[in-house]
Amino acid sequence: GQNIDQPTEMTATEGAIVQINCTYQTSGFNGLFWYQQHAGEAPTFLSYNVLDGLEEKGRFSSFLSRSKGYSYLLLKELQMKDSASYLCAVLDSNYQLIWGAGTKLIIKP
Amino acid sequence: IAGITQAPTSQILAAGRRMTLRCTQDMRHNAMYWYRQDLGLGLRLIHYSNTAGTTGKGEVPDGYSVSRANTDDFPLTLASAVPSQTSVYFCASSEAASGGATDTQYFGPGTRLTVL
Repeated sequence: GQNIDQPTEMTATEGAIVQINCTYQTSGFNGLFWYQQHAGEAPTFLSYNVLDGLEEKGRFSSFLSRSKGYSYLLLKELQMKDSASYLCAVLDSNYQLIWGAGTKLIIKP
Repeated sequence: IAGITQAPTSQILAAGRRMTLRCTQDMRHNAMYWYRQDLGLGLRLIHYSNTAGTTGKGEVPDGYSVSRANTDDFPLTLASAVPSQTSVYFCASSEAASGGATDTQYFGPGTRLTVL
C-alpha cells in the first residue's frame, strides 16, 4: 500500500528553526510537495522537489532523498504566523497526490 | 481575482437528501479534483478529472458523483447523503496531470458539510 508518515504535532519557539520530516512509500514517484494549511483554511502550496537535494525559498527550504524515501521542510526565523499544519504529498505513478495526515506546528513566544 | 471558488461555504443537510457542491476555476487549468478532509486523516481524493469531458474515481468515490462538462466547472453530487459524509470538502485544480511542477494543485476555500 501507499503510505506517507509525518509527526502529528511539533512545538517550536518564535525565532528558532524547526525541521518537519516526511517519509514515504508509494507506487512510483513523480515529485514531492509541501503545503501549508492554517486552521479553517485551504492548503496553500509551499514547495516542490523532484530531484535530490535542497530547494531554498526564503525562510523555507525543502530537502529530498529519493533513495531513502525521505523529505524534510525546514522553517527558519519562526514567526507566530507560521503556526499551521504542514502537509507532505507525493505524486505517484498515476499522477495522483498521496497525502500525509499533516504536522501541526505550534509556535510559542 | 483568479482562482477557485466553491459554494456553498457551509451546509447542514438531512440524511437522504441530494446535494451538489459547486466548484469553478478561472485559471484554465486542465485537471480538477475533489477531496474530503477529516480530522486526523490526510486529504482523500474522491474524484478527479484530467481534462474536460473525462472523470475518474479516487480513493473514496462511493456515494459521490461528478461531471466535467467544460473546463471551468466541476460539481460534486451526493445522491443520498449519509452522516459519514460529514466532512470538509475541497476542490482543487492543476495546470496538468502529467507529472512535474505543472501538477501543483491549487485549492478552493472549502465547503463544510454536516449531514444529520
